[in-house]
Amino acid sequence: DIQMTQSPSSLSASVGDRVTITCRASQSISIYLNWYQQKPGKAPKLLIYSASSLQSGVPSRFSGSGSGTDFTLTLSSLQPEDFATYYCQQSYSSLPITFGQGTRLEIK
Amino acid sequence: QVQLQESGPGLVKPSETLSLTCTVSGGPVSSGSYYWSWLRQPPGKGLEWIGYIYYSGSTNYNPSLESRVTISLDTSKNRLSLDLNSVSAADTAVYYCARHPTGGRIRFDSWGQGTLVTVSS
Repeated sequence: DIQMTQSPSSLSASVGDRVTITCRASQSISIYLNWYQQKPGKAPKLLIYSASSLQSGVPSRFSGSGSGTDFTLTLSSLQPEDFATYYCQQSYSSLPITFGQGTRLEIK
Repeated sequence: QVQLQESGPGLVKPSETLSLTCTVSGGPVSSGSYYWSWLRQPPGKGLEWIGYIYYSGSTNYNPSLESRVTISLDTSKNRLSLDLNSVSAADTAVYYCARHPTGGRIRFDSWGQGTLVTVSS
């Protein structure tokens, strides 16, 4: 299995801050990395696919970058509705599809 | 706009079979444009992919669950189903159905709201 490791596991930030979350794969996955946002009691929501492509309807303050084993999700200016848990997911191998453990973004 | 809705028992006894359905509205599950997956999330933990099915009936399962899982499609009722046998407390989780487009690599672009299944006697 391809292991996905996110850092940090949690972070505190303020509205208007710029925030970066990192995801590292245990082997090269090219650009096949997706990011999701999950709010309490809700299903995950796709934000970014193929490392840097913005899903339709997602605000442009979300961006993704990276290739190979190291990837980042950046929120350029935090809004109140952005406080949530973020997950990365590799789509390089479907045997099996794997997710990171999540990064909880909290209000400072 | 597609909507997915999971349903099934919220409580299952250990060693029994967990059975869930996901009813899809706003588009046919027989569309060749999508795969249909099941995923789960234990309380307070991360996401685990269980498996997917294509309209043709072809399936792909997580090797860690493959011996216990069956995913099927009922095109007449526009829904997919999940059977997980020999359950234990470790299978307690919120179970989600989701779809992913056939073009490109797997990305889950629409999800159901999820249903909590507790395994307990």
